[in-house]
Amino acid sequence: GQNIDQPTEMTATEGAIVQINCTYQTSGFNGLFWYQQHAGEAPTFLSYNVLDGLEEKGRFSSFLSRSKGYSYLLLKELQMKDSASYLCAVKDSNYQLIWGAGTKLIIKP
Amino acid sequence: SAVISQKPSRDICQRGTSLTIQCQVDSQVTMMFWYRQQPGQSLTLIATANQGSEATYESGFVIDKFPISRPNLTFSTLTVSNMSPEDSSIYLCSVLPGGEWETQYFGPGTRLLVL
Repeated sequence: GQNIDQPTEMTATEGAIVQINCTYQTSGFNGLFWYQQHAGEAPTFLSYNVLDGLEEKGRFSSFLSRSKGYSYLLLKELQMKDSASYLCAVKDSNYQLIWGAGTKLIIKP
Repeated sequence: SAVISQKPSRDICQRGTSLTIQCQVDSQVTMMFWYRQQPGQSLTLIATANQGSEATYESGFVIDKFPISRPNLTFSTLTVSNMSPEDSSIYLCSVLPGGEWETQYFGPGTRLLVL
């Protein structure tokens, strides 16, 4: 079957750095996405990786290793507004998005 | 990107009734999807809305319960039929503006509570 694993919840301190991991086993691979979802709101797109390596976008970076079926989202200089759920999703061979359960990130002052 | 609106934004409904949710996109999009997200859970794909033909439903979802229309490339509706409290959820419209390599975008969601 298809499976995406990410931690259920993480806690970090304002101003610090946090890394949210995602491992996947899917039938085929056509890209990995990270979305941010604040409580009660729709998911918003953060990043997309299709090749191995690191993609940096401001305070957020996303890394992919296709051989390991592994990705992480790195958030630097954490702000209170970064408290949200972070969803990892992979496009399989049918270009369907397979979603992880999401990681709830709690930022403490 | 695409700007997506949904109506209604929220509703409280009685058991046994039906609710139709509308999704409007500001540009023509290749693919439209309907998702459900129950409290504290991740996204579950209900179906892909196909323009001019019947929707493609995922396992566990059937047309009689969740009829979908897509009359053109900018609009779709999802009906939740014969509702029960278990249907209380957030229903999200999502679009893929271009090809399959594109990013998927989400509407603001419809929060449904069934009493």
